[in-house]
Amino acid sequence: GAGVSQSPRYKVAKRGQDVALRCDPISGHVSLFWYQQALGQGPEFLTYFQNEAQLDKSGLPSDRFFAERPEGSVSTLKIQRTQQEDSAVYLCASSLVVRAKETQYFGPGTRLLVL
Amino acid sequence: KNQVEQSPQSLIILEGKNCTLQCNYTVSPFSNLRWYKQDTGRGPVSLTIMTFSENTKSNGRYTATLDADTKQSSLHITASQLSDSASYICVVSERDSSYKLIFGSGTRLLVRP
Repeated sequence: GAGVSQSPRYKVAKRGQDVALRCDPISGHVSLFWYQQALGQGPEFLTYFQNEAQLDKSGLPSDRFFAERPEGSVSTLKIQRTQQEDSAVYLCASSLVVRAKETQYFGPGTRLLVL
Repeated sequence: KNQVEQSPQSLIILEGKNCTLQCNYTVSPFSNLRWYKQDTGRGPVSLTIMTFSENTKSNGRYTATLDADTKQSSLHITASQLSDSASYICVVSERDSSYKLIFGSGTRLLVRP
C-alpha cells in the first residue's frame, strides 16, 4: 500500500515568506508526527497528533511554527516569516496507534531552503 | 545536551565484510531503543525495536543488541552489500512519552566494491 507522502519535496523561500508543508499519512493511521532534521544531524521531534488533536507541541521551536490536522488525516506544518535557521528537512511520520513498540513510518521529507 | 551518542561518525568497509555500530544513551526512564536506516534523500526506515527486557533482535543481516544496564546498544551488519550504504540512526524513547523519538546523529556507512 501507499506509504507516507509529503509535498512539496523541495521548497525555496525568501526570508520572511510564509510556507506550508503537507503530509499525507498512511490511511487509517491515528498518530502523526513532525520532525525537523538539520544537515548532518538526526531528526528532532516537533509535534504529535492523535487524530485531529494536537497532544504535544513541545518541540516547535517558536510561535512562527504552527501545525494542524483538522480532519484527522492530512496534516500541514506552517512556518510564518521564515528565517535562515529554518532551513532543514521536515519529516512527517505516522503510526497506527501510539504504543511503546509501535513503528513510526516516515515520509521522504520536504527540504526547505530559506535564502 | 545530546542524549543519544553514536560512534563512529562515519565508516568505510569493503563489500562482504561485517561491521558493528555503537550507540550510548542517557535517556531515562527508558522505554525502547530502535535502529533506523536512512538512505540519502529519504526518510528513515525502521530496522529493529527493543524494549529493556530484550537483549538482541535480528532483521535479516542486521542484528541489534541492547544492554539496558550500561545503556549501550550495537548494530551488527553481516556480509555487507553495496545497498547497505546509508546512515544508521539509533533512536531512544522515554517511558513517559514513548511516542517522542530521540535520535542520535547517525553513523554514515559507505560500502565499497
